Amino acid sequence: QKEVEQDPGPLSVPEGAIVSLNCTYSNSAFQYFMWYRQYSRKGPELLMYTYSSGNKEDGRFTAQVDKSSKYISLFIRDSQPSDSATYLCAMTLNDYKLSFGAGTTVTVRA
Amino acid sequence: NAGVMQNPRHLVRRRGQEARLRCSPMKGHSHVYWYRQLPEEGLKFMVYLQKENIIDESGMPKERFSAEFPKEGPSILRIQQVVRGDSAAYFCASSPGAAPEAFFGQGTRLTVV
Repeated sequence: QKEVEQDPGPLSVPEGAIVSLNCTYSNSAFQYFMWYRQYSRKGPELLMYTYSSGNKEDGRFTAQVDKSSKYISLFIRDSQPSDSATYLCAMTLNDYKLSFGAGTTVTVRA
Repeated sequence: NAGVMQNPRHLVRRRGQEARLRCSPMKGHSHVYWYRQLPEEGLKFMVYLQKENIIDESGMPKERFSAEFPKEGPSILRIQQVVRGDSAAYFCASSPGAAPEAFFGQGTRLTVV
């Protein structure tokens, strides 16, 4: 069993739709949870960073953490074609060694 | 403020040659991390360095791979006697302290032919 599981997709939605991305994990000791966006042939870009269970909102992005279920989510409201990318969840039990999901490829159709 | 700079962006090596990948962290960042991304897989942690110190190399293959972050100059990831299985994208990240919020570079794509 992988430490972090993420549905690879691909996910295709029309412009303006809500994009819902999920990851599950097996190590209950994970403390920090992150979402990265990676455009093709580019490096990952940090989108959201959370520590505790609950929701965190930043503009059109909402990150959700449920530690009891070992499940995290990212929601993108009013999706735009520029949101088309691969989204990576990542988590760590200390303060530096990230464990990544395999990434979900999202296409937002104009 | 320039981001994390990696060079070269693309590197082609023949089997048996050495590959040297360079990473200059963001200004003010003294913590560097290297990750490897294989096709269809997520990024895998390789090594964590501070200036002149290797803090955690638990993700580094035991042979042929080494990393350094000297007092002056960029961090170097060195792969000796490359094999086809080393073909991957290698990403460097940096942070100002030990923190999960690391900033990634654009990566070096290594192709072994």
